[in-house]
Amino acid sequence: EPEVTQTPSHQVTQMGQEVILRCVPISNHLYFYWYRQILGQKVEFLVSFYNNEISEKSEIFDDQFSVERPDGSNFTLKIRSTKLEDSAMYFCASRKPLGQDYTFGSGTRLTVV
Amino acid sequence: DQQVKQNSPSLSVQEGRISILNCDYTNSMFDYFLWYKKYPAEGPTFLISISSIKDKNEDGRFTVFLNKSAKHLSLHIVPSQPGDSAVYFCAASGRTSYDKVIFGPGTSLSVIP
Repeated sequence: EPEVTQTPSHQVTQMGQEVILRCVPISNHLYFYWYRQILGQKVEFLVSFYNNEISEKSEIFDDQFSVERPDGSNFTLKIRSTKLEDSAMYFCASRKPLGQDYTFGSGTRLTVV
Repeated sequence: DQQVKQNSPSLSVQEGRISILNCDYTNSMFDYFLWYKKYPAEGPTFLISISSIKDKNEDGRFTVFLNKSAKHLSLHIVPSQPGDSAVYFCAASGRTSYDKVIFGPGTSLSVIP
């Protein structure tokens, strides 16, 4: 069964450093998303991406965050200058055209120290 | 502003009995509802969904009921199995193709052998 792949599974970074979280969505999907889950809290929407541009973003997704689909297969989330409160599980998801069932990746655990 | 609510943070059920997980929503623009299952350190896994034009959808041991007038849905698992122990997230989505999914806070289900 096709799956969404995320790398790395765990990333530890120092506060103030830049991190890039990588995702390979399912190949025929056209809609891409990032969500995050801070430990013990609910899964929160960060950003949706379609046709090479952001279609919607939450208030969490401030100027420190950016997304890119550089080569038609990878979908990346960049945090420019990480803060302690960015520590969370980050999930990538994709959705096929006209479908409403999301497929989530297994997540990247980001720990900011 | 909690648009999707799951008022029971946890639920324990004996193996073989029925598990009923409840969910309420406030946004009448939601058009599609989903249930996800999540194990620790993994991404949410799609379980079952229902469109707002239906009031019931069944898939094996899983049935989702939707009461639009009450803005309430429930997931029934019967018979419950120990492997069903996980966190269950109710989620809702709007009508447009790239609409984000709004997650509830989750209910942790424990199925006791």
